[in-house]
Amino acid sequence: SQQGEEDPQALSIQEGENATMNCSYKTSINNLQWYRQNSGRGLVHLILIRSNEREKHSGRLRVTLDTSKKSSSLLITASRAADTASYFCATEKGTGNQFYFGTGTSLTVIP
Amino acid sequence: DAGVTQSPTHLIKTRGQHVTLRCSPISGHKSVSWYQQVLGQGPQFIFQYYEKEERGRGNFPDRFSARQFPNYSSELNVNALLLGDSALYLCASSLPGQETQYFGPGTRLLVL
Repeated sequence: SQQGEEDPQALSIQEGENATMNCSYKTSINNLQWYRQNSGRGLVHLILIRSNEREKHSGRLRVTLDTSKKSSSLLITASRAADTASYFCATEKGTGNQFYFGTGTSLTVIP
Repeated sequence: DAGVTQSPTHLIKTRGQHVTLRCSPISGHKSVSWYQQVLGQGPQFIFQYYEKEERGRGNFPDRFSARQFPNYSSELNVNALLLGDSALYLCASSLPGQETQYFGPGTRLLVL
């Protein structure tokens, strides 16, 4: 079963608007990562936030983590048509690279 | 440097057959993980190998097996294919101690 759940499942916005997607997970984590996937191909790593961090920024991306609520959010500011993709959160458990992905949010940015 | 490569890109099999999928990690990466992604869902963890040893296994039946070779490339084998095995199979590699995984483009398997 999936470790995490993303919300919403689908999101459609106009170019220039901000996009926010949320992720909830079930158990304690070492870190949480966000990945992007275009058209059912390989995933691309976007950003990692560790369990002792609350917020992190990378370019137009802002990630928050609330371990008490077991949730994270990804904010994409000033969205572009090229941001159209599926976005997944992934949590890492244990000592190896064993990632558990959520169900994903499908983002469509309309030019 | 080349990224993670996977072969073949597409594959069509019939029920009961077996399949072997191949993955070459980024040069210097010793950890390889395999994931199954059914259409419309997120990737599900199948296996992780590090230094040719299995370090983790997801909730998949024994029909799924894998191995890692001395050059750190890896194979995923699936026996007695079922229709439900139709999916995108993703391979990811990482450096020792690095938390970020780098994914290949995947192999799309269709079981008829």
